[in-house]
Amino acid sequence: DGGITQSPKYLFRKEGQNVTLSCEQNLNHDAMYWYRQDPGQGLRLIYYSQIVNDFQKGDIAEGYSVSREKKESFPLTVTSAQKNPTAFYLCASSIAAGGYNEQFFGPGTRLTVL
Amino acid sequence: SQELEQSPQSLIVQEGKNLTINCTSSKTLYGLYWYKQKYGEGLIFLMMLQKGGEEKSHEKITAKLDEKKQQSSLHITASQPSHAGIYLCGADLNNRLAFGKGNQVVVIP
Repeated sequence: DGGITQSPKYLFRKEGQNVTLSCEQNLNHDAMYWYRQDPGQGLRLIYYSQIVNDFQKGDIAEGYSVSREKKESFPLTVTSAQKNPTAFYLCASSIAAGGYNEQFFGPGTRLTVL
Repeated sequence: SQELEQSPQSLIVQEGKNLTINCTSSKTLYGLYWYKQKYGEGLIFLMMLQKGGEEKSHEKITAKLDEKKQQSSLHITASQPSHAGIYLCGADLNNRLAFGKGNQVVVIP
């Protein structure tokens, strides 16, 4: 089945530690995205990638880093510089970049900083 | 500032009743998406509207985009417990998909 997978579903980390969230898609999509969702808030764009080996900052990139070495994979690292990392993280992909292309979402990863 | 405003923020309806939620923008919407989200899960695509006056239906859910392409409504007929969740609208703004804060729908028996 084609789709997007995110792992793990729940993640706990201690303050001061970096943590990497996984996102994999087998839809052959060029574009991939990372969003953060907080209670009562909409989705806020962290980073996006239009094509392999290329990525751009979204609206709230500070404290996060990404890589796009393979078309299928777009891991997100939450660094210790992110002041309030506890949130629900969603990965998405679309056939091409641009808001007019439907985005397909993964099941999400809930990160809790202890 | 929030580019997409969704109202009402939350809504409680009795099973079997109809409900309507709205998504409004001060800018013209080129591509308006409706997604549904269960708590703690990813977003499920419902439908996309592009043309002014367009209306689409899927099962008991109907979404419309007004003629000015600045407001969309989503109507659920004879609500069921399976309709409970958060409904998010997204739109192509500045060549990105921007989202509203969502409408939380609760269906009580």
